[in-house]
Amino acid sequence: RKEVEQDPGPFNVPEGATVAFNCTYSNSASQSFFWYRQDCRKEPKLLMSVYSSGNEDGRFTAQLNRASQYISLLIRDSKLSDSATYLCVVRGSARQLTFGSGTQLTVLP
Amino acid sequence: EPEVTQTPSHQVTQMGQEVILRCVPISNHLYFYWYRQILGQKVEFLVSFYNNEISEKSEIFDDQFSVERPDGSNFTLKIRSTKLEDSAMYFCASKNAGTSSTDTQYFGPGTRLTVL
Repeated sequence: RKEVEQDPGPFNVPEGATVAFNCTYSNSASQSFFWYRQDCRKEPKLLMSVYSSGNEDGRFTAQLNRASQYISLLIRDSKLSDSATYLCVVRGSARQLTFGSGTQLTVLP
Repeated sequence: EPEVTQTPSHQVTQMGQEVILRCVPISNHLYFYWYRQILGQKVEFLVSFYNNEISEKSEIFDDQFSVERPDGSNFTLKIRSTKLEDSAMYFCASKNAGTSSTDTQYFGPGTRLTVL
């Protein structure tokens, strides 16, 4: 089983749509959870950390279910500039990050 | 806003040659990392460095790889004898010493290594 598993997509959605990404992780001892975004041939950039109670940052909402080892990201009112690859990232007891393969999003005009 | 910088942006080398990739982490950060991303694949952890020594490394980080913090600002990754399969984007990252709530690693723009 992959350590961090994501639906690779691609997701092609019209501007203004709501889109949801899911992610599962295998290590129940994982301690920190993040969504990063990565534009083509660029570095990963932190989008948001994911907290147990769920958290929201503008149009973005992240949820964590530790019992199911499941993380989600919801993007509302999607913009053209949201087009990117979204990376589900987990940190275990060690400090390194484990990345999923990413979900590709294209927002269409 | 402070940022991680990396040089060069693109390095082309012949198989068997040594390369050194350079990174300048954010100045007050204490934890440093190297990751790599082969084209079309996921980002993979290589090594972490804290208090002037390696704290963790992955199975990718074999004897051909080494890291160093030669002065107070630079953090380098050396590949002694490059192989074709070392071709990838190499990202440096750094993190402040904080609680898990400030557990954010900041990534540099990467060095694209091409081994011919």
